[in-house]
Amino acid sequence: DAKTTQPPSMDCAEGRAANLPCNHSTISGNEYVYWYRQIHSQGPQYIIHGLKNNETNEMASLIITEDRKSSTLILPHATLRDTAVYYCIVRVLKGRGGADGLTFGKGTHLIIQP
Amino acid sequence: DTEVTQTPKHLVMGMTNKKSLKCEQHMGHRAMYWYKQKAKKPPELMFVYSYEKLSINESVPSRFSPECPNSSLLNLHLHALQPEDSALYLCASSQDLGFGQPQHFGDGTRLSIL
Repeated sequence: DAKTTQPPSMDCAEGRAANLPCNHSTISGNEYVYWYRQIHSQGPQYIIHGLKNNETNEMASLIITEDRKSSTLILPHATLRDTAVYYCIVRVLKGRGGADGLTFGKGTHLIIQP
Repeated sequence: DTEVTQTPKHLVMGMTNKKSLKCEQHMGHRAMYWYKQKAKKPPELMFVYSYEKLSINESVPSRFSPECPNSSLLNLHLHALQPEDSALYLCASSQDLGFGQPQHFGDGTRLSIL
């Protein structure tokens, strides 16, 4: 799986959009970009994933550049409960029965300020 | 609340004890995972079960013994652990249909070895 690079920490004001960047310049054509977050004292939580098109769900939006070498996770209206470590993970999809684990990097510690 | 339930939430044991960690999910997922997370570090994959068969062992020492008695349950048997094995042990599950379904994590068992 391709390596990812994320800033170690970021601050964002409550109510504003939080934009978390991820660099994955060695990504291959068959690798997807996944985002998870881990709130203190909880297990990681899936947020969103995508291949090359921008994706949106009830939690966030994922913007992937045209060359796929970087992406941005957007939390549109950050709240204090969004304070967490956010992990950007690149992985190849396997076939049925090919489940494999996630390789977590160090992530970005996002702190939402009141 | 998570859909993956781990018990116990906390465990303190001596180096000569034998104990087990339990994980349960009722989402019909056929892939289950154990991760280990040391303080202030990202989770690291230990084992993957796919359709109740061990498919990945990330060179984990034999003092950790996984077991998948059925599609809903995953155990981690512990014996003769060392102080450096103190960590948060996370269980996760996912569909295993080859479409990149996200992993759902429990909140972990915090293990302390005396």
